[in-house]
Amino acid sequence: GENVEQHPSTLSVQEGDSAVIKCTYSDSASNYFPWYKQELGKRPQLIIDIRSNVGEKKDQRIAVTLNKTAKHFSLHITETQPEDSAVYFCAATLQGGSEKLVFGKGTKLTVNP
Amino acid sequence: KAGVTQTPRYLIKTRGQQVTLSCSPISGHRSVSWYQQTPGQGLQFLFEYFSETQRNKGNFPGRFSGRQFSNSRSEMNVSTLELGDSALYLCASSFFQETQYFGPGTRLLVL
Repeated sequence: GENVEQHPSTLSVQEGDSAVIKCTYSDSASNYFPWYKQELGKRPQLIIDIRSNVGEKKDQRIAVTLNKTAKHFSLHITETQPEDSAVYFCAATLQGGSEKLVFGKGTKLTVNP
Repeated sequence: KAGVTQTPRYLIKTRGQQVTLSCSPISGHRSVSWYQQTPGQGLQFLFEYFSETQRNKGNFPGRFSGRQFSNSRSEMNVSTLELGDSALYLCASSFFQETQYFGPGTRLLVL
């Protein structure tokens, strides 16, 4: 079955720096890759997603890149702010059948002011 | 539109009991998925329902079951609770093949 590896598990940056989180997936048929942000005690919230027919997607300070050949995708956050501190989860799924999301273990990002 | 809602938000049970959790999806969403979140295992897929049919099931024992009603609301049931079932149970709804939106979760503590 699908497996998603996420690195690093913790990441600490200074405010204004960039943060990069990387994920690899095992099922080459996966075609949808969302990223969720979960603040302490709150629900996971989608921050950006990418489909397999696109190599990169950007939304203000957040961008995601996808390399289908290497089966990995990355989240890039620029100009980090303290409110970016949270746990970030990557996920992969094959849309078109079940909606099952397979998640990475999460990255705890801390942005120090 | 109102977001995904889950009830109850918190629950304390003892080993051997059973529990039923409820999820109301975003209006118009017909797919409801359930996930278990624990510090050790992260977010793990339990099952997914679409139009009252279970389309996929994760690697959980048969004590975990679910169903979906004609109005797309979903329930999950855990029988014969074990200490290891203590977790945050999240449901997510989506329109066909679109983004999944999560509810606030039900935090279950098994004593």
